[in-house]
Amino acid sequence: DAGVTQSPTHLIKTRGQHVTLRCSPISGHKSVSWYQQVLGQGPQFIFQYYEKEERGRGNFPDRFSARQFPNYSSELNVNALLLGDSALYLCASSSGLEWETQYFGPGTRLLVL
Amino acid sequence: GQNIDQPTEMTATEGAIVQINCTYQTSGFNGLFWYQQHAGEAPTFLSYNVLDGLEEKGRFSSFLSRSKGYSYLLLKELQMKDSASYLCAVIDSNYQLIWGAGTKLIIKP
Repeated sequence: DAGVTQSPTHLIKTRGQHVTLRCSPISGHKSVSWYQQVLGQGPQFIFQYYEKEERGRGNFPDRFSARQFPNYSSELNVNALLLGDSALYLCASSSGLEWETQYFGPGTRLLVL
Repeated sequence: GQNIDQPTEMTATEGAIVQINCTYQTSGFNGLFWYQQHAGEAPTFLSYNVLDGLEEKGRFSSFLSRSKGYSYLLLKELQMKDSASYLCAVIDSNYQLIWGAGTKLIIKP
């Protein structure tokens, strides 16, 4: 079975632009979480979606939004990009809302110039 | 505020034992994780503790003391492939996952 997949793997944008990152969970998993990991730091929780509804949100500005589709895949959107948005964006899936069985994708590395 | 403290970097010798400590101050506690993350890769799950005590899993063990807000990850018989960052993460009372900055472990031959 395929694990969590994310696209694209790398992305370069300029300040003020918009970006959409995509995530496909493990087959059968209904929950997707998004994290931002700045180099040298631990991941920061952005969103959790379960059954297409937002179930948790971290301390991120409204420029960050996400959604989950009927097939449980998910998109993370970031508007008006700032230099500080440069990071590794990780997606994780789990079968339910529990954190214990969370599996991470390889991440999307975003560079904002 | 919520805070998770880990040493920034540790060095150990191949074949030896190393203990990586994690202290936390969070709004509530519903479990603690340890993850391993190799450079440029995603974190991979190592252990989960919700009750006090020691959980052993092969060469890796994790300990939790909820009254002290303290956990450690013990790695035995170190191998070069254990060179990675080790992340401590706590589930708080809102069931959000709060992460530490990670401990970079360097293994020397």
